[in-house]
Amino acid sequence: AQSVAQPEDQVNVAEGNPLTVKCTYSVSGNPYLFWYVQYPNRGLQFLLKYITGDNLVKGSYGFEAEFNKSQTSFHLKKPSALVSDSALYFCAVRVPDYGGSQGNLIFGKGTKLSVKP
Amino acid sequence: DGGITQSPKYLFRKEGQNVTLSCEQNLNHDAMYWYRQDPGQGLRLIYYSQIVNDFQKGDIAEGYSVSREKKESFPLTVTSAQKNPTAFYLCASAKPWSSNEQFFGPGTRLTVL
Repeated sequence: AQSVAQPEDQVNVAEGNPLTVKCTYSVSGNPYLFWYVQYPNRGLQFLLKYITGDNLVKGSYGFEAEFNKSQTSFHLKKPSALVSDSALYFCAVRVPDYGGSQGNLIFGKGTKLSVKP
Repeated sequence: DGGITQSPKYLFRKEGQNVTLSCEQNLNHDAMYWYRQDPGQGLRLIYYSQIVNDFQKGDIAEGYSVSREKKESFPLTVTSAQKNPTAFYLCASAKPWSSNEQFFGPGTRLTVL
């Protein structure tokens, strides 16, 4: 069965320090990987995705993520955290349907990021 | 949230009542989705539609129903058969092809009184 794991329920960092939010996946086939962010009582906002090519993907708001096929991981990173980065972060995976349909996204349970001044 | 609207933002329902949550998008996306979000459980797929007049059950479809009569609209009805409907409901849409990300609406918080 396909699954996504975000092993940390919460990550705490000080403003200005680097942050990492971890994500590992288990799928059969080559995955498409996504990161979303959710602020309280809001919908999810897309941050970045890995489809193919360069393992380091850059996205919105200075975030980046590294795809590691051997470790089946797709950790989200930012060199210098801001207080405004505090939110709930979701990793998601999809195994593409080459018939052209979207296929279903499988979400992790989310990681709450707290950045303190 | 741009391009996808959900209404109402908050909804209160008495036990035994059916309620319908609205989702509209002006992004010209073919695919639309409904998710349920509960604390600590991430998002779970209720129903999805790849094209007008067609929809498929997701992982937790029991107690829910949908329709897709127009490309822009994908309403979700929470029926009285749904045993624990209190949750945050999110609608999303996307272009075809699985490399495309989904765009989410702002959500509806449903509370059963």
